Amino acid sequence: GAVVSQHPSWVICKSGTSVKIECRSLDFQATTMFWYRQFPKQSLMLMATSNEGSKATYEQGVEKDKFLINHASLTLSTLTVTSAHPEDSSFYICSARDTSGRSGNTIYFGEGSWLTVV
Amino acid sequence: AQSVTQLDSQVPVFEEAPVELRCNYSSSVSVYLFWYVQYPNQGLQLLLKYLSGSTLVESINGFEAEFNKSQTSFHLRKPSVHISDTAEYFCAVSDLGTDKLIFGTGTRLQVFP
Repeated sequence: GAVVSQHPSWVICKSGTSVKIECRSLDFQATTMFWYRQFPKQSLMLMATSNEGSKATYEQGVEKDKFLINHASLTLSTLTVTSAHPEDSSFYICSARDTSGRSGNTIYFGEGSWLTVV
Repeated sequence: AQSVTQLDSQVPVFEEAPVELRCNYSSSVSVYLFWYVQYPNQGLQLLLKYLSGSTLVESINGFEAEFNKSQTSFHLRKPSVHISDTAEYFCAVSDLGTDKLIFGTGTRLQVFP
């Protein structure tokens, strides 16, 4: 079936550096992808909607310059956490809707990426 | 604003026992409702969803959930759980016509032998 894959699964970076997380739809095209983050024992919170070929739409309270989203192709969206700080440590997860008709417009989620900033 | 409440952060049960994972939502408009499951080291997988029609929806692995509009609930049930059902379960809601999901905090189902 359709799969969404994220890379890396785990990443540790130094404070002040930037880190990129990739989200790929492996066997379907996704014009729209979504980025969520989850703090321990809290809900998944929608950060932004990634739109292929145009600017991402950010949720209220999410810093656009902090979390850069690029959706350059129909199968890849990237989230770059710039000048990361320890408070950015979190679980980041992406999703994409398969609109090909094979799966009833199901939304698929990636495996998630654990970011630890030290 | 929409919100989803999962009252139980953890639910420990013995194998073959029944289980109910509670989910309540708040919304002023019609919604879609979902249950997702996350097995260890895996991504979220759709378990079942309510879009319209029958208020009782079932999954292929024995789970079911009933949409109760008056109580704004969408509780997940299974009459007899297996060890393999051990996972994190997330309830989610979205407005009609949107892909934006609002998630609950999740419930950790732990099935013991």
